Amino acid sequence: DTAVSQTPKYLVTQMGNDKSIKCEQNLGHDTMYWYKQDSKKFLKIMFSYNNKELIINETVPNRFSPKSPDKAHLNLHINSLELGDSAVYFCASSQGPGGQGDTQYFGPGTRLTVL
Amino acid sequence: LAKTTQPISMDSYEGQEVNITCSHNNIATNDYITWYQQFPSQGPRFIIQGYKTKVTNEVASLFIPADRKSSTLSLPRVSLSDTAVYYCLVGAPDFGNEKLTFGTGTRLTIIP
Repeated sequence: DTAVSQTPKYLVTQMGNDKSIKCEQNLGHDTMYWYKQDSKKFLKIMFSYNNKELIINETVPNRFSPKSPDKAHLNLHINSLELGDSAVYFCASSQGPGGQGDTQYFGPGTRLTVL
Repeated sequence: LAKTTQPISMDSYEGQEVNITCSHNNIATNDYITWYQQFPSQGPRFIIQGYKTKVTNEVASLFIPADRKSSTLSLPRVSLSDTAVYYCLVGAPDFGNEKLTFGTGTRLTIIP
């Protein structure tokens, strides 16, 4: 059973387009996250979300927006894609509210290529 | 989140014990220390977590000195399949502007 799943695995698109990446977790966790991993393999958190609070990394452009239809899903919408958005995007979840002791479970990643 | 410092890369031969140390001088009282492993084209995977002293599971051991300003991940008798990037994460994910949430990680290469 897949704990955290993402679709699509690969996404190739043109600059200026709008795209979405979907994430689902079947762990019953309360908190979900989106991370970006760049070409240097640096992982940086973009969003943390549970039913009470959305925390946004201040460096994330407002072209990126998380949408959560329910506790098990956190989708990532990206408007007006730019070349610099090319990266691997990981979804993750944790049982608690994202505090000091929470273990995160990651999805397989979505490789986004903007042409 | 306490900023972490790890060696960029390490090499080891199969069958040896590998120790990867992470420095986190600014660790807060409530911070836990968590290690993740990432294989190419996969998401990070939880290995082990601890708060103080020593923690051991079926995969690894984690040693934390009394001052908690560093921690050492120990992998016993490594095999080729342990080749991966290992990240040390302290406390909750950091949303700070210039900080890398998972640090630079240590790229471990196991040599046959």
